[in-house]
Amino acid sequence: DADVTQTPRNRITKTGKRIMLECSQTKGHDRMYWYRQDPGLGLRLIYYSFDVKDINKGEISDGYSVSRQAQAKFSLSLESAIPNQTALYFCATSKGLGNTGELFFGEGSRLTVL
Amino acid sequence: GEDVEQSLFLSVREGDSSVINCTYTDSSSTYLYWYKQEPGAGLQLLTYIFSNMDMKQDQRLTVLLNKKDKHLSLRIADTQTGDSAIYFCAESKVNRDDKIIFGKGTRLHILP
Repeated sequence: DADVTQTPRNRITKTGKRIMLECSQTKGHDRMYWYRQDPGLGLRLIYYSFDVKDINKGEISDGYSVSRQAQAKFSLSLESAIPNQTALYFCATSKGLGNTGELFFGEGSRLTVL
Repeated sequence: GEDVEQSLFLSVREGDSSVINCTYTDSSSTYLYWYKQEPGAGLQLLTYIFSNMDMKQDQRLTVLLNKKDKHLSLRIADTQTGDSAIYFCAESKVNRDDKIIFGKGTRLHILP
């Protein structure tokens, strides 16, 4: 089983719909992240969380919200989806920079907003 | 400012060496990384180098760091079809909030 699991893996929705992408991890890491990947733009950080009570905006948080329900769960919501939120979304975890800072990624959730 | 730059595409013939280059702007970076993304998958750490090192070698992979020019390179010897992927350069800094800054990724295409 994957250490970082994302659901759904693929989702097609319509403009204006509310969407939630979920991430769960079995690595026991405190730090969790949401990135989006767009062709030619690389990875951009949406939100990150150092622990259950600590949530921070990344570089492109507008239009998104997150919830850290437990150490192992970090969900990303699009309250009213729009077409330019069509992208591949990745959840990642890490122990923290004191341990080289390696990020462990899920397999991605491909979202299409029509 | 924080910026990591790398070219978007590289084509290499099978069996040749691939060299993927990256430049970064934050001279206080602590770790520099190379992540690999295979088709349909998430990113996986390929290798990393601590900022006080100049070179790191791991089997077919050689990482070179030029701190003066803020230049990082990844050399893959004897490139194989399985090396076809997107390679991301990234940097981080201890004592900064736990962010890792990624480049846009270099797509490595292997020619037969």
